[in-house]
Amino acid sequence: GQSLEQPSEVTAVEGAIVQINCTYQTSGFYGLSWYQQHDGGAPTFLSYNALDGLEETGRFSSFLSRSDSYGYLLLQELQMKDSASYFCAVRDRDTGGFKTIFGAGTRLFVKA
Amino acid sequence: GAVVSQHPSWVICKSGTSVKIECRSLDFQATTMFWYRQFPKQSLMLMATSNEGSKATYEQGVEKDKFLINHASLTLSTLTVTSAHPEDSSFYICSAPEWGRNEKLFFGSGTQLSVL
Repeated sequence: GQSLEQPSEVTAVEGAIVQINCTYQTSGFYGLSWYQQHDGGAPTFLSYNALDGLEETGRFSSFLSRSDSYGYLLLQELQMKDSASYFCAVRDRDTGGFKTIFGAGTRLFVKA
Repeated sequence: GAVVSQHPSWVICKSGTSVKIECRSLDFQATTMFWYRQFPKQSLMLMATSNEGSKATYEQGVEKDKFLINHASLTLSTLTVTSAHPEDSSFYICSAPEWGRNEKLFFGSGTQLSVL
C-alpha cells in the first residue's frame, strides 16, 4: 500500500516563504507531484520530481530525496491568492498499473 | 494544456436512483482515466482506474457493482453511481494522465453529488 504524510495546516503572511513537507511510503515509487486546489475547484498541477533535487517553476519550487522518502514544496513571495489546499501525490505502480495517490492535503492560509 | 470536461457539475437525486457522470478528454486521447472521490476538506481518494476497452481496476473497498465505470472510447469515461444513498453524497472528479516528463494529471471540474 501507500501512505503520505503532510501537515494539515500552515499559516503565513503575504510576502513570506512557506515550506510544506511530505513524507511517503510506497512499494513502487516513480515520482512525487504537488497539486493546488482552491475550495470548490479542481486540483491543478504544480510540479513533479522523479529524481533527487530541486525543481523550480516561478515562485514555486519542489524538492525530492528518494533515499529519505521525503519531499517539500516551497512557495516564495506569498500572495493572498495562494491560500488553498496543497496535496503531495506519489506516482506508484502495482499490479493494477500506474496510479497517483494523494496525501491528505495541507491547507495554507495567507494573511495580509 | 489538455482539457478534461466533466458533466454534470452538480446533481441532486433521490435515494435509490442512479446517477451517471461523464468525463471527456477534449483535445487528446485518454486511454486511462482515474476516478477520485473527495469529502469536504479531505483528500482525493482513488476509486478506480478506467482503461479504454477493458474492465476498470477498482481500489480496495470500492464496490464494483455500486460504482460502474465504462470507458468505451478514447475520449469518454463514465461513472454511474447505482442505487445512490445519502452516504454516497460527495465530490467526484475524474482525471487523465499525461505520461511524459511531468506525469501530470489533468482534472475535470468535478461533480458534486447530493443524495436526498
